[in-house]
Amino acid sequence: GAVVSQHPSRVICKSGTSVKIECRSLDFQATTMFWYRQFPKQSLMLMATSNEGSKATYEQGVEKDKFLINHASLTLSTLTVTSAHPEDSSFYICSASRRGGRETQYFGPGTRLLVL
Amino acid sequence: AQKITQTQPGMFVQEKEAVTLDCTYDTSDQSYGLFWYKQPSSGEMIFLIYQGSYDEQNATEGRYSLNFQKARKSANLVISASQLGDSAMYFCAMREAPMNRDDKIIFGKGTRLHILP
Repeated sequence: GAVVSQHPSRVICKSGTSVKIECRSLDFQATTMFWYRQFPKQSLMLMATSNEGSKATYEQGVEKDKFLINHASLTLSTLTVTSAHPEDSSFYICSASRRGGRETQYFGPGTRLLVL
Repeated sequence: AQKITQTQPGMFVQEKEAVTLDCTYDTSDQSYGLFWYKQPSSGEMIFLIYQGSYDEQNATEGRYSLNFQKARKSANLVISASQLGDSAMYFCAMREAPMNRDDKIIFGKGTRLHILP
């Protein structure tokens, strides 16, 4: 159990367009979801933490108007990259915490974004 | 200040040998949790092992064990009898409120492990 999915798995878009990435907990209700960004050959950097029904908490240096997070339900969080630019090209990974589950967060498979 | 330090950017190890991946951490909290994750080239994050700061015994999960030395703030991952499939990026991570699964996890820069046939 404790499966997290992401959609799409990869996306290519033109500069200036917006891209939405979905993160779903398939078989459990996630108390909190997290969004990470990973540039090539680098570590995961936390972008924001989101709880269902409340505003996301963004890490220092992350533009909340550019990376819109909506946590509509206990099983779905979305990240929208608005007016994407080539420097936003990255690997975006979500994770979810599960009350009563193991200590780890449960990670999605990631979304590769390429902005042309 | 960097909270998780992995000093080995890359390692090459012969198949079937044991591997130790280094990790040191920095926290002023008395209570915290330490994790190791494996990330193959596909990008998925695979949870390997967890150690709570108050756990008296070192954590073990199959071929993985965590050499926890609290006074040294060290949490090295030991992989016994390495296999070709162990080739991947390995991340050490920490959560400073281990009983609260809703708190964030901070990752180190990672170590790329190459297992040689």
